[in-house]
Amino acid sequence: QSALTQPRSVSGSPGQSVTISCTGTNSDVGDYNYVSWYQQHPGKAPRLIIYDVSKRPSGVPDRFSGSKSGNTASLTISGLQADDETDYYCCSYAGTNTFVFGTGTEVTVL
Amino acid sequence: QVQLVESGGGVVQPGRSLRLSCAASGFTFTNYAMHWVRQAPGKGLEWVALIWNDGSNKYYGDSVKGRFTISRDNSKHTVYLQMNSLKAEDTAVYYCARDPPRSRTSYYYFMDVWGEGTTVSVSS
Repeated sequence: QSALTQPRSVSGSPGQSVTISCTGTNSDVGDYNYVSWYQQHPGKAPRLIIYDVSKRPSGVPDRFSGSKSGNTASLTISGLQADDETDYYCCSYAGTNTFVFGTGTEVTVL
Repeated sequence: QVQLVESGGGVVQPGRSLRLSCAASGFTFTNYAMHWVRQAPGKGLEWVALIWNDGSNKYYGDSVKGRFTISRDNSKHTVYLQMNSLKAEDTAVYYCARDPPRSRTSYYYFMDVWGEGTTVSVSS
């Protein structure tokens, strides 16, 4: 169960788009369409923002979108806002009812 | 409203045990699988354990397998994490989270509601 690989940090100016990658293996990301993404502000619990690779829970702005190609999933934040500046984690089902999280990415709004 | 509240964290010596609780309210607890997820200080999220809605199946991350036990009491709307043989590397904030049913026999495999967490510190 090795952690999925995410870039340590990404940055963008307000209004721009940023994309966070999440690279796993053909035993997790590549094998299942059960990738979810979480936003976590400092000292707070994580918040679900994407599930099943690309679906958004109600209440999550459509500025957040997800996709997957092979063993890599991606989260794109469009129209970057100041409140988007925080940490993001991907998570994938890894078979046999086990899960693996990504290493986490800090988004900075310049 | 939908809520998960963890409790039971504290400071414990290496090798000792601790039991965490997570009380659920505002939803039909018996329909949901439940996870424990932890976060060491300054580190990322780590999946710890999953229990099915009826408690019939339990699964663990490699780092806690054989030491931690997840359980639930549906009459009390509570899920537990029994942690034995604690190590310094178990120091973390422990969150419980729910996993919605996708069908009668499977779940969505994501965590849509989280508690605020309880802090465990393993130190001599």
